[in-house]
Amino acid sequence: QQQVKQSPQSLIVQKGGISIINCAYENTAFDYFPWYQQFPGKGPALLIAIRPDVSEKKEGRFTISFNKSAKQFSLHIMDSQPGDSATYFCAAKNYSGAGSYQLTFGKGTKLSVIP
Amino acid sequence: GAGVSQSPRYKVAKRGQDVALRCDPISGHVSLFWYQQALGQGPEFLTYFQNEAQLDKSGLPSDRFFAERPEGSVSTLKIQRTQQEDSAVYLCASSLEQGWGLAPLHFGNGTRLTVT
Repeated sequence: QQQVKQSPQSLIVQKGGISIINCAYENTAFDYFPWYQQFPGKGPALLIAIRPDVSEKKEGRFTISFNKSAKQFSLHIMDSQPGDSATYFCAAKNYSGAGSYQLTFGKGTKLSVIP
Repeated sequence: GAGVSQSPRYKVAKRGQDVALRCDPISGHVSLFWYQQALGQGPEFLTYFQNEAQLDKSGLPSDRFFAERPEGSVSTLKIQRTQQEDSAVYLCASSLEQGWGLAPLHFGNGTRLTVT
């Protein structure tokens, strides 16, 4: 079944703290795992992505940790800032046949970083 | 243009009306996707185009939904006889690569459709 489960639904973190968002998947055919950031009234924007042959990827304050055997991956935001307040979506990509591919999104985590 | 452009930004339709939502992808982008995002939810796949070919329409919720991309650039999502459950933000995304490519998806800001 095409499904990506994301938690928590909402998260409040103090400025300077670490924000952690978790996702789990079932379909082992997924081969690419991006995270998107969405501000109100805007479309999702790619934040960082990882392939399943890598266990960790870091870009600035953002890190993805990937556990292939557990079929789980997570986003860590270090030194969280009020400007990071947004909704974050994990996603997973797979080939769906006939030259097509799909991104399946989690339900999102609303992050609020308080001063 | 610099990004994916969608119009209109907001659309209010009375139940039963037909609507057409437009997407201008980034120039030269081969792949184009339509997603539906209900309030407080993640985007859900509707359909995928590779140039002008609609390769996957498995996510379209009913035969009232129709999408086209006749010249491989601009795309239109049409919803006939709109229902209240069609109320959502409709997102368009484009990507430089096709098929297995890992090029990122660039999303537009969406069209918010409200059916009254």
